[in-house]
Amino acid sequence: AQTVTQSQPEMSVQEAETVTLSCTYDTSESDYYLFWYKQPPSRQMILVIRQEAYKQQNATENRFSVNFQKAAKSFSLKISDSQLGDAAMYFCAYSNSGGGADGLTFGKGTHLIIQP
Amino acid sequence: GAGVSQSPSNKVTEKGKDVELRCDPISGHTALYWYRQSLGQGLEFLIYFQGNSAPDKSGLPSDRFSAERTGGSVSTLTIQRTQQEDSAVYLCASSLTGAPREAEAFFGQGTRLTVV
Repeated sequence: AQTVTQSQPEMSVQEAETVTLSCTYDTSESDYYLFWYKQPPSRQMILVIRQEAYKQQNATENRFSVNFQKAAKSFSLKISDSQLGDAAMYFCAYSNSGGGADGLTFGKGTHLIIQP
Repeated sequence: GAGVSQSPSNKVTEKGKDVELRCDPISGHTALYWYRQSLGQGLEFLIYFQGNSAPDKSGLPSDRFSAERTGGSVSTLTIQRTQQEDSAVYLCASSLTGAPREAEAFFGQGTRLTVV
């Protein structure tokens, strides 16, 4: 079974600074997908960024980028120029390539605090 | 609809009662997922529907839990004889297809269930 580990229960960063959230995973698959989701107090999970394991290039979405290290099974999220609206729970998630039947496997999350 | 809609938003029920949670996915989305998020935990995958069919129900926590989907649209998650450990946020998501390569999963705002 796949597992996702987020070792930082909480992180704090000054507004406009850069912060990196860590995620490691375990799988025996060679083709899979990795995601970072943001969950604000509204509870709705919002997709921040996704990475396909067969792509070597790290995904980027505006201020959000990932450092995908396939051999190390590491998938960290970097948030540049942090904004107050970035404050939320962030979840790392894994999906195999075979379709939705197994759903997403989530880590336990990192609570990100933005200091004004 | 514009997004995934879940009802009720909050539900308080007495131990031993049955509850029914509803999910209305984005129109045209064939894949639908239920997750459970216990306090301070990540999301736990419960069940996946492709159309009206759920190929694997083994993720449901116990035989008190059941789920159905009719007309390829609305889904209900039913918990019979609720227990205090059932208290959690139940999140529903839908995607255009079940393939992570093709489709992003959109989440609803969840139902917070409290069993007293």
